[in-house]
Amino acid sequence: AQSVSQHNHHVILSEAASLELGCNYSYGGTVNLFWYVQYPGQHLQLLLKYFSGDPLVKGIKGFEAEFIKSKFSFNLRKPSVQWSDTAEYFCAFKAAGNKLTFGGGTRVLVKP
Amino acid sequence: DTGVSQDPRHKITKRGQNVTFRCDPISEHNRLYWYRQTLGQGPEFLTYFQNEAQLEKSRLLSDRFSAERPKGSFSTLEIQRTEQGDSAMYLCATMTANTGELFFGEGSRLTVL
Repeated sequence: AQSVSQHNHHVILSEAASLELGCNYSYGGTVNLFWYVQYPGQHLQLLLKYFSGDPLVKGIKGFEAEFIKSKFSFNLRKPSVQWSDTAEYFCAFKAAGNKLTFGGGTRVLVKP
Repeated sequence: DTGVSQDPRHKITKRGQNVTFRCDPISEHNRLYWYRQTLGQGPEFLTYFQNEAQLEKSRLLSDRFSAERPKGSFSTLEIQRTEQGDSAMYLCATMTANTGELFFGEGSRLTVL
């Protein structure tokens, strides 16, 4: 079955620290990959996406993600986090068909 | 404001009652999705429409759940004979063509007592 695994459920770090969130998917074919973010009290919104081309993609607010096909991974990174990055982050992928499959999410708390 | 509207935002009901949620999509988006999210979990796919056609439905979805999109615009999700396990946030999301980007609404939170 198609699935997405996010390794960390909770991450706590201080401002200016670097962030990396792991994401692995299980599907043998071509995929589109996404990271969504949900800030406290807000709806889910797209952070970045990968369809094809350069496996290093840049999104909003200084986030980037790298697609490593051989590892079925799409890890999210940010070199220096801010308090406003406190949120829940969801990795998702779309294979054949039209639905996105989401991971369980990682809650990130950035301490000021 | 994403432009996807959901109503009601909160619904508390007793077990065994029927509930209906409504989703109004961004007008030019022809694809509409329903997801369910419980605490500590990611969104779980329920069903998907392209215009008025329901093209995919999760095999995990009980037959107490039904969704419609009669004119290819707004959609409704009905849950009959609610159970406590139905308590969750029900999310509507829409997409245009094949951009891959889902625009989510604020969600409808259901509590079944």
